[in-house]
Amino acid sequence: DTAVSQTPKYLVTQMGNDKSIKCEQNLGHDTMYWYKQDSKKFLKIMFSYNNKELIINETVPNRFSPKSPDKAHLNLHINSLELGDSAVYFCASSQAPDSYEQYFGPGTRLTVT
Amino acid sequence: AQSVAQPEDQVNVAEGNPLTVKCTYSVSGNPYLFWYVQYPNRGLQFLLKYITGDNLVKGSYGFEAEFNKSQTSFHLKKPSALVSDSALYFCATKDNTDKLIFGTGTRLQVFP
Repeated sequence: DTAVSQTPKYLVTQMGNDKSIKCEQNLGHDTMYWYKQDSKKFLKIMFSYNNKELIINETVPNRFSPKSPDKAHLNLHINSLELGDSAVYFCASSQAPDSYEQYFGPGTRLTVT
Repeated sequence: AQSVAQPEDQVNVAEGNPLTVKCTYSVSGNPYLFWYVQYPNRGLQFLLKYITGDNLVKGSYGFEAEFNKSQTSFHLKKPSALVSDSALYFCATKDNTDKLIFGTGTRLQVFP
């Protein structure tokens, strides 16, 4: 039983394409996140949703659009992909925005060629 | 702004020896400090946290961390390293909007 799952695990696409990454958590948590980990392993938050509402929106290009259809899902859509978008994207969840522990998914490795 | 620093990109230790992975923090107010571990091709896993209370915090897999206010440090430790402890370790803090702010990570390599 995977707590936080992401699909796809790997995504290879060309510049200019539009792609989506899906995330689901079965922990009953209220809060979900998207993080980006670059090639140097630096990890930074992109977005956070609580009960389907956006609560954190870092300085991310508006080509990135998160969508939360319900509390258990948080998807990430990326338009007009660029080379610099190549990274590993992690979804995470927590019981609440101020919870101390976050649970991470396995990551989606996006490669833009 | 809240931040954590991990001064070592890599730490090498022989199996059975004690290990320390260093972290220093720069935080206004009471620090909320965390350690996460990332095994190859996996997501991060929570190891332990310091919120308040005892300076020595015990966590998963036999790890512990020592909070030192005078040195603004929160070093991760384990008395006896295992080869299976080899992974990427992240120190983190929370800012006043509850965002997790991660350090740059330290790769721990435990040699048999």
